[in-house]
Amino acid sequence: NAGVMQNPRHLVRRRGQEARLRCSPMKGHSHVYWYRQLPEEGLKFMVYLQKENIIDESGMPKERFSAEFPKEGPSILRIQQVVRGDSAAYFCASSHSEGPLITYEQYFGPGTRLTVT
Amino acid sequence: LAKTTQPISMDSYEGQEVNITCSHNNIATNDYITWYQQFPSQGPRFIIQGYKTKVTNEVASLFIPADRKSSTLSLPRVSLSDTAVYYCLVVPRAGNNRKLIWGLGTSLAVNP
Repeated sequence: NAGVMQNPRHLVRRRGQEARLRCSPMKGHSHVYWYRQLPEEGLKFMVYLQKENIIDESGMPKERFSAEFPKEGPSILRIQQVVRGDSAAYFCASSHSEGPLITYEQYFGPGTRLTVT
Repeated sequence: LAKTTQPISMDSYEGQEVNITCSHNNIATNDYITWYQQFPSQGPRFIIQGYKTKVTNEVASLFIPADRKSSTLSLPRVSLSDTAVYYCLVVPRAGNNRKLIWGLGTSLAVNP
């Protein structure tokens, strides 16, 4: 059972370009989360999605950032008109939907390191 | 969501037992204590989770006193490969709120 997959692993963009980060959850997981991590800091929640629905986007900037998790295919985090401050590691996690679980353990991907030049 | 406080860094030597304590004074009745481990350039990995008293798995033990305002992650006989950042999180019982709130974690350095 493959783990959470993210691509690309490294992405370099010039200021003003668009960045698209992809995340394929673990098999059987229908819940996806995106986090951002700056150097020497903890992860910051951005958005939580289920298939075709955004459940919680309270951590995502209102402008330039968007996320989707279509019925078919990976989840996409899209950053338009990137700026230097967007440089960070972006992690995707997935979890089970329902079941006899106490809490929903999140499984993380390896991350995408975005560098804006 | 409860805030957690843990030491910024710790040093240890191979073969020693390491105990990392986390404070969570505002923990709610339905919250669980969860620890993740993160190696450089990798995503976090779940280590252990507990509600009260003691939980043990093949990797670590988690000690939680009766008032649940703190918890201690215990790593027995650490090796160099245990060098990582360890995060303590308070996670609500399964429900609609799945957002994880992360602190800075504890950077553990295991020396030879």
